[in-house]
Amino acid sequence: EAGVAQSPRYKIIEKRQSVAFWCNPISGHATLYWYQQILGQGPKLLIQFQNNGVVDDSQLPKDRFSAERLKGVDSTLKIQPAKLEDSAVYLCASSSPRGSGYTFGSGTRLTVV
Amino acid sequence: SQELEQSPQSLIVQEGKNLTINCTSSKTLYGLYWYKQKYGEGLIFLMMLQKGGEEKSHEKITAKLDEKKQQSSLHITASQPSHAGIYLCGAERLGLVFGKGMKLTVNP
Repeated sequence: EAGVAQSPRYKIIEKRQSVAFWCNPISGHATLYWYQQILGQGPKLLIQFQNNGVVDDSQLPKDRFSAERLKGVDSTLKIQPAKLEDSAVYLCASSSPRGSGYTFGSGTRLTVV
Repeated sequence: SQELEQSPQSLIVQEGKNLTINCTSSKTLYGLYWYKQKYGEGLIFLMMLQKGGEEKSHEKITAKLDEKKQQSSLHITASQPSHAGIYLCGAERLGLVFGKGMKLTVNP
């Protein structure tokens, strides 16, 4: 079984620029999550999708962050404009309805300079 | 305040030593996950505990769930350098809520 795929692996941008991250979940996993992990902290949930609908985006800074999951498969997380404090690892995870756990991708490490 | 508190925050041990990591929740635990993470990388699933008193083992790692105390522990027997990394506990909510993690260093 292929894992959760994320790209790019690393990204360095200047503040006020925009950036996008891509995630391809495990085939058949209806639920997809985006997490932000700042250095020294645990991952923080930004948004949860069930198929192509948003279940929870209460911790997503909607003035600059947006996410979509077209056709209920791949997902994209965008930041526009980026701030220095957005420097973090962005993790994508997926899970199946049968509660078999959560599988995480390798993450995208974003550095905003 | 943090919903999940992990202790200790970091640990340095000599190879071959045993160690225990704790995760305490301020809310009722319905499911507790343990993950391991190498610096800046993705999370590797270790174990999932769902029932009070449940105990699971994989190789030299054992995890227990004390539902009444809202606490889980992860025990590593005869630690090796390959055990080094950040250990994260996550509680089942709408998605997972994580603790801050425990950084483990194992010196050969």
